[in-house]
Amino acid sequence: EIVMTQSPATLSVSPGERAALSCRASQSVSSDLAWYQQKPGQAPRLLIYGASTRATGIPARFSGSGSGTEFTLTISSLQSEDFAVYYCQQYNNWPPWTFGQGTKVEIK
Amino acid sequence: EVQLVESGGGVVRPGGSLRLSCAASGFTFDDYGMSWVRQAPGKGLEWVAGISWNGGTTGYADSVKGRFTISRDNAKKSLYLQMNSLRAEDTALYHCARILGYCSSTRCSGYLDLWGRGTPVTVSS
Repeated sequence: EIVMTQSPATLSVSPGERAALSCRASQSVSSDLAWYQQKPGQAPRLLIYGASTRATGIPARFSGSGSGTEFTLTISSLQSEDFAVYYCQQYNNWPPWTFGQGTKVEIK
Repeated sequence: EVQLVESGGGVVRPGGSLRLSCAASGFTFDDYGMSWVRQAPGKGLEWVAGISWNGGTTGYADSVKGRFTISRDNAKKSLYLQMNSLRAEDTALYHCARILGYCSSTRCSGYLDLWGRGTPVTVSS
């Protein structure tokens, strides 16, 4: 099983600032990496797939980078609606697909 | 409207069984693989199981293998999760999700582009 490790667990950021979230895989997943956003009481929402491709309707301030074992989700200028929990997920190895434990982005 | 709606959750005793359903609408159901993902209270996401568009390929997390069975009925545009021998650690909100990707005869590769709101399962005596 591929273990996905996200850091930090919590990120405190002021609105308008840049946020960088890290995701590391225990072995290479190539570019088979997705990012999801989840707000309280809501289902997760797909943000990024293929490590760097934004899903339909996702604002350009969200960008993904990386390949192999190291990945980053960057939010260029945090808006109030961006404060949420973010998960990475690898879909290179199946079964199982695995998620990271999540990074909570909170208002500083 | 493109959506997934789960049902069938509830309270069950340890060792009991439950069958979850997920109704799809607004898209061609049999064009897509499907998956179940769960979230224990206050915890992160855990992939549970996945199935190809025709049911020919399935996969499970080790934590549920041999106890849970994923299936689908394309005529009814529905996905199912039969859960047997339930344990306290199976307590979670269970989401169904659509796979955007591909499935071969042995594996699926794809991401989850559409999610339902989930149905809660509580395993408690």
